[in-house]
Amino acid sequence: DAMVIQNPRYQVTQFGKPVTLSCSQTLNHNVMYWYQQKSSQAPKLLFHYYDKDFNNEADTPDNFQSRRPNTSFCFLDIRSPGLGDAAMYLCATSRATSANNEQFFGPGTRLTVL
Amino acid sequence: AQSVTQLGSHVSVSEGALVLLRCNYSSSVPPYLFWYVQYPNQGLQLLLKYTSAATLVKGINGFEAEFKKSETSFHLTKPSAHMSDAAEYFCAVSSWGSSYKLIFGSGTRLLVRP
Repeated sequence: DAMVIQNPRYQVTQFGKPVTLSCSQTLNHNVMYWYQQKSSQAPKLLFHYYDKDFNNEADTPDNFQSRRPNTSFCFLDIRSPGLGDAAMYLCATSRATSANNEQFFGPGTRLTVL
Repeated sequence: AQSVTQLGSHVSVSEGALVLLRCNYSSSVPPYLFWYVQYPNQGLQLLLKYTSAATLVKGINGFEAEFKKSETSFHLTKPSAHMSDAAEYFCAVSSWGSSYKLIFGSGTRLLVRP
């Protein structure tokens, strides 16, 4: 089945230790999104790639970076995680040929910062 | 600017009772609207979407939603709640422009009592 895969599902890191989260997709969608979701809140868009074009949200901290080496993979790098960065991180994809194209979400990576 | 408002952060129903989750939108252009469900420690799954083809939209798991332009609403209903429906529900509107980002409501947690 075509899907969005996130690895790992659970990640524990130490305060200030860089961490990378991974997302891959078999849907061949041209847009990939990264969201941060804290407990009992809606997902918050961090940034997205439209093909190779990176689009950062205005309020995304510089501590968060992303890479998309090819259509299928996208990475979220947190350079110096703080306690406030503990959250669920969701990757999503979309065909984005029209506003009525839904986003497909992966299962998420839950990040714990010690 | 587009926005979504979900009334009620928590809704509690008895098993077998009607489920009604409220969503109101604000949009200066014809909106595309979505309902997503999120189970604990999982990603978001599309329940249904409104794309202007029909005002009554049927989705998965027995859910449906009716688009009412005069009321700027897109409420989600299910005739008979099941214990497995307990989850977080998000209403979202698709923003126009490149990449068609989703603008989420704050979410409603559905509790189903036995």
